[in-house]
Amino acid sequence: DVKVTQSSRYLVKRTGEKVFLECVQDMDHENMFWYRQDPGLGLRLIYFSYDVKMKEKGDIPEGYSVSREKKERFSLILESASTNQTSMYLCASSLRRGGEKLFFGSGTQLSVL
Amino acid sequence: EDQVTQSPEALRLQEGESSSLNCSYTVSGLRGLFWYRQDPGKGPEFLFTLYSAGEEKEKERLKATLTKKESFLHITAPKPEDSATYLCAAPGRGADGLTFGKGTHLIIQP
Repeated sequence: DVKVTQSSRYLVKRTGEKVFLECVQDMDHENMFWYRQDPGLGLRLIYFSYDVKMKEKGDIPEGYSVSREKKERFSLILESASTNQTSMYLCASSLRRGGEKLFFGSGTQLSVL
Repeated sequence: EDQVTQSPEALRLQEGESSSLNCSYTVSGLRGLFWYRQDPGKGPEFLFTLYSAGEEKEKERLKATLTKKESFLHITAPKPEDSATYLCAAPGRGADGLTFGKGTHLIIQP
């Protein structure tokens, strides 16, 4: 089975801190994604990557950046955390490009105080 | 704009009471309709993919169907362990990623 592992289950950070969320997948998938999930808004795509060092903006990239130095690892970076970035962050991967099914990690619940 | 809309937002059923969840989409050139289950505090778990109108897929008490404009997730004789949020999704405008509906929160009471 595909395993997508997110490094932290819960995080509490202060406004203005730089925050790193890490994600690792173990099945050699090409694509990796970062979504955030908020009550009443559903899942929204922040960024995705279809290859090492490649990245594409999703629907809500403002305030975020990403890094993919190795195929199995995809990091989400909050350059200066703000309270409106308090959310559940979900990492996902898919085998290939083209709207294939996604495999999700368990999520990181981030609280920015 | 590509959209995926689910209804109802929430549904409470008695154990054994069958019902259906709806997912309507306005994605042009549909390249698959996906159903996921999400338990509280966890990531979504894949259930089904449907690719063409008339297609049906089943898993235990769940059956997903697809028409040209919408998909249904039928749940037959549900049990409390079927309680979860059910999400549907479709590939968006770009080549990658899925656009998700807001989900149906299903509660099955014993």
